[in-house]
Amino acid sequence: AQSVTQLDSQVPVFEEAPVELRCNYSSSVSVYLFWYVQYPNQGLQLLLKYLSGSTLVESINGFEAEFNKSQTSFHLRKPSVHISDTAEYFCAVSGAIGGYNKLIFGAGTRLAVHP
Amino acid sequence: DVKVTQSSRYLVKRTGEKVFLECVQDMDHENMFWYRQDPGLGLRLIYFSYDVKMKEKGDIPEGYSVSREKKERFSLILESASTNQTSMYLCASRKGARAMGQPQHFGDGTRLSIL
Repeated sequence: AQSVTQLDSQVPVFEEAPVELRCNYSSSVSVYLFWYVQYPNQGLQLLLKYLSGSTLVESINGFEAEFNKSQTSFHLRKPSVHISDTAEYFCAVSGAIGGYNKLIFGAGTRLAVHP
Repeated sequence: DVKVTQSSRYLVKRTGEKVFLECVQDMDHENMFWYRQDPGLGLRLIYFSYDVKMKEKGDIPEGYSVSREKKERFSLILESASTNQTSMYLCASRKGARAMGQPQHFGDGTRLSIL
């Protein structure tokens, strides 16, 4: 069975500091990986995705994630965070389950950026 | 941009009531999903639909049903609301019948309180 583990439920960090949000997945088949962000009182928005090819994927707002097959990880990083990055971040894996393509989500990591 | 609209942002209902949550998407997507989001548990799939009049149970279907009479609309029904169904409900849509790499697009959510 596929599963996603986000190792930190909360990550406090100061503005302009680097941050890493950790995500590990388990799957016996090829997967597609996603990071979603949820700002307060909003739905989830796609941040970035890994489908194939280069193992490093980037978003338009400075986040990047690296697919590591041997470690079954897809950690999210940003070299310098802003107050506006305060949000909850969800890692998700897409795979065929019972003949249907579903997303399996981690429990989420709440990123709090402090001035 | 894809627009997924949930009919209510906040809803308060009483135990035993029949509750309808409505979701509409404007991009002619084949797939639609209902999740509930609870702190520390991430998103859990309640029901999904790959086509009109088609529905499949997700991971936690008990106490819920769905309706998809038109392609753009997917309704979640709480047959007899209970306090343990107090939660944030998120609707999502996705292009493609079984497209593994396509992202899901989310509405802003309905925060439902059952008193």
